[in-house]
Amino acid sequence: SQKIEQNSEALNIQEGKTATLTCNYTNYSPAYLQWYRQDPGRGPVFLLLIRENEKEKRKERLKVTFDTTLKQSLFHITASQPADSATYLCALGSGANNLFFGTGTRLTVIP
Amino acid sequence: DTAVSQTPKYLVTQMGNDKSIKCEQNLGHDTMYWYKQDSKKFLKIMFSYNNKELIINETVPNRFSPKSPDKAHLNLHINSLELGDSAVYFCASSQGQVRNSPLHFGNGTRLTVT
Repeated sequence: SQKIEQNSEALNIQEGKTATLTCNYTNYSPAYLQWYRQDPGRGPVFLLLIRENEKEKRKERLKVTFDTTLKQSLFHITASQPADSATYLCALGSGANNLFFGTGTRLTVIP
Repeated sequence: DTAVSQTPKYLVTQMGNDKSIKCEQNLGHDTMYWYKQDSKKFLKIMFSYNNKELIINETVPNRFSPKSPDKAHLNLHINSLELGDSAVYFCASSQGQVRNSPLHFGNGTRLTVT
């Protein structure tokens, strides 16, 4: 079955730096990949969608890459702020309605 | 003007009981889901309904029964609750296929079985 790993359970970074989160997958060929943000006690909130034929997507300070050869997606937050502190989840899909989620990386931006 | 709302937010009950969680979305979406998030934060799909029709039914004990009275509501009924059912249950919705339209989640129902 598919396996989705997010690089580390927790990542601490200094304010103003670029945070880079990794999502690796095996035994799977996703057609698209999504990133979500989850705050404590809340449901995940959608951030970005990238498809297999797209190399990179940007939205404001966020950037996502999708490398189907390396079976990896990188999620970057530039000029990070304490308000960016949250858990970030990657989710992969190939079918119409089934998304498989990673276990998330808890990002803490230190002022 | 909450988009996806779930009730209750917290549910504490004893083993063997039957309980229900309700979900409503006011986004006009045609597809709704139930996800389970365990203590390790792993989020896994349980069910998906499109226009009241069941389209995804993952390997879930048949003690769990979803019901969709209309496309804006998807309720989850759980019979004979077990300790292992303790988790956070999230309802979500999307417009059409999730490959094109992201999921909108509710804020979860934390179920504790004692």
